[in-house]
Amino acid sequence: DAKTTQPTSMDCAEGRAANLPCNHSTISGNEYVYWYRQIHSQGPQYIIHGLKNNETNEMASLIITEDRKSSTLILPHATLRDTAVYYCIVNPDYKLSFGAGTTVTVRA
Amino acid sequence: SQTIHQWPATLVQPVGSPLSLECTVEGTSNPNLYWYRQAAGRGLQLLFYSVGIGQISSEVPQNLSASRPQDRQFILSSKKLLLSDSGFYLCAWDGTGTHEQYFGPGTRLTVT
Repeated sequence: DAKTTQPTSMDCAEGRAANLPCNHSTISGNEYVYWYRQIHSQGPQYIIHGLKNNETNEMASLIITEDRKSSTLILPHATLRDTAVYYCIVNPDYKLSFGAGTTVTVRA
Repeated sequence: SQTIHQWPATLVQPVGSPLSLECTVEGTSNPNLYWYRQAAGRGLQLLFYSVGIGQISSEVPQNLSASRPQDRQFILSSKKLLLSDSGFYLCAWDGTGTHEQYFGPGTRLTVT
């Protein structure tokens, strides 16, 4: 029972912004939107999370629509090291449920 | 700073053999601890989580068990491994009330 829908894959040019969409149309009022990424053969890495407001940290920005049914993760200046699987997760608590994610390939 | 360790990094075990994977966290107290498994080509599946010593919750019934004998130690075990137990096992931790889980380097288990 997937709570989020993400594109299977996307390519991005090095140095350009990468915009990763995520649909979560059944999100509940107390559920957060989390983004993690997993570089090949490593453990996932936390990127950012949000509830209603847009958020920004040193890694990325998270834009959540006003109705909270979708969000976009923005990597402002993609580098080759950003090549990874990106997971959008909707959860009310600590039990993270990882789907298939989006495989992002940054090309030189 | 906090660090999380897992060992071994890789393991090849025959079907029917026992298993013990260990995870330890340094630099924090009373963490929530998690075991995940990632089968080949699939997403991560939460197996167990623990909010304190001796407190284990299982998310998926299976051939595995978990224990937390000390505050910062989390162990994943099996009495008899199955071929389907092969996968990438990840331990993670977070602090109570926080939203960020931190993952260890993982153990790649191959059951032959």
